[in-house]
Amino acid sequence: QKEVEQNSGPLSVPEGAIASLNCTYSDRGSQSFFWYRQYSGKSPELIMSIYSNGDKEDGRFTAQLNKASQYVSLLIRDSQPSDSATYLCAVYELQGAQKLVFGQGTRLTINP
Amino acid sequence: SQTIHQWPATLVQPVGSPLSLECTVEGTSNPNLYWYRQAAGRGLQLLFYSVGIGQISSEVPQNLSASRPQDRQFILSSKKLLLSDSGFYLCAWSVGGPVGSPLHFGNGTRLTVT
Repeated sequence: QKEVEQNSGPLSVPEGAIASLNCTYSDRGSQSFFWYRQYSGKSPELIMSIYSNGDKEDGRFTAQLNKASQYVSLLIRDSQPSDSATYLCAVYELQGAQKLVFGQGTRLTINP
Repeated sequence: SQTIHQWPATLVQPVGSPLSLECTVEGTSNPNLYWYRQAAGRGLQLLFYSVGIGQISSEVPQNLSASRPQDRQFILSSKKLLLSDSGFYLCAWSVGGPVGSPLHFGNGTRLTVT
């Protein structure tokens, strides 16, 4: 199985600062990339999708993709305590069919 | 809009007992359906996925099985639960067709095997 790697954290960021979350993947042919947010005890919630190299912005969130480096990141601007959660990177595996592979997740804590 | 229903929310079962978890999707046709498991403090492990009625692919050999008796219904079963089956079970759906659509998760079932 192809791999998706994330720093497990915990990552601690002061309120109002920028949180930067990183993810690398091993399948060079992957075309679809996602970030999910998971609050403790809850199911994952999709927050960003990105398919092309470059940046994609949605409110306070920016996803960045670099296919040559096999690297995808998520920036959270003006971090709020409500952003404290585990963030999961997910990448579609090209071999086989319809399999989304998740990283282990990065636990983010925003300190007031 | 599409919604996914998963039940029950929590379940406590003794070792050796059977299991049946059900998931249904509304508002879409021919979705891809998935079962994931998340052990405490761990990542998401894909158990089964289905691209159509009666089509089930298994990712991990274990004592679990899945069935898709209807287009928007996905069932996870076991004849005899093990302690290691404890975890957070998540059903998810994505748009059918070409690979690349994001997954949308149900609220999950927290299973404790005692």
